[in-house]
Amino acid sequence: GAGVSQSPRYKVAKRGQDVALRCDPISGHVSLFWYQQALGQGPEFLTYFQNEAQLDKSGLPSDRFFAERPEGSVSTLKIQRTQQEDSAVYLCASSLGTGQGNTEAFFGQGTRLTVV
Amino acid sequence: SQKIEQNSEALNIQEGKTATLTCNYTNYSPAYLQWYRQDPGRGPVFLLLIRENEKEKRKERLKVTFDTTLKQSLFHITASQPADSATYLCALDDTGFQKLVFGTGTRLLVSP
Repeated sequence: GAGVSQSPRYKVAKRGQDVALRCDPISGHVSLFWYQQALGQGPEFLTYFQNEAQLDKSGLPSDRFFAERPEGSVSTLKIQRTQQEDSAVYLCASSLGTGQGNTEAFFGQGTRLTVV
Repeated sequence: SQKIEQNSEALNIQEGKTATLTCNYTNYSPAYLQWYRQDPGRGPVFLLLIRENEKEKRKERLKVTFDTTLKQSLFHITASQPADSATYLCALDDTGFQKLVFGTGTRLLVSP
């Protein structure tokens, strides 16, 4: 595809349920980022991959959050035992270079997670 | 503490006027600053990037300034159109790391 694709677009989970969010970055993009965006706020960094290596996971809110990118392309963000405070839009972004500050980042449309 | 501040109140302007949005930051020393547009239900879309050694950058009707002494960036849209209505986010690189830190965004409403 031409852009970053995320699925599902919407997810409703019961509290305590596990969820998996998928991101298909632009082909050939080395860097992949996950962000969490609460309503009315800017995106907040969760984690960063360079190819298959997870170089920064400092933004993951708790050990219930886990991300992987095993073959350096598709990435999955998993949230275990979801809580209501996990309700947010989860955005994936990819970029061609090895950083994000100096290159354009391409964002997907996001997955809106609602925990009930 | 580190902060990136954008005006949280919506900016309402008349079509044809110039919109000016402000981004102020504290306790960061970014080498780059970026501006994104975000429409409801969509991901952010990149608009412009400006480096710390650049004072100004232009792209069509858009202009960005970057003052590292004032720790401020201004984003201008000239000859604004209703289609420019969106939320505009500024973001800077967290020095030494490879991630962007975003402001909360400013909503722009351009009336016909």
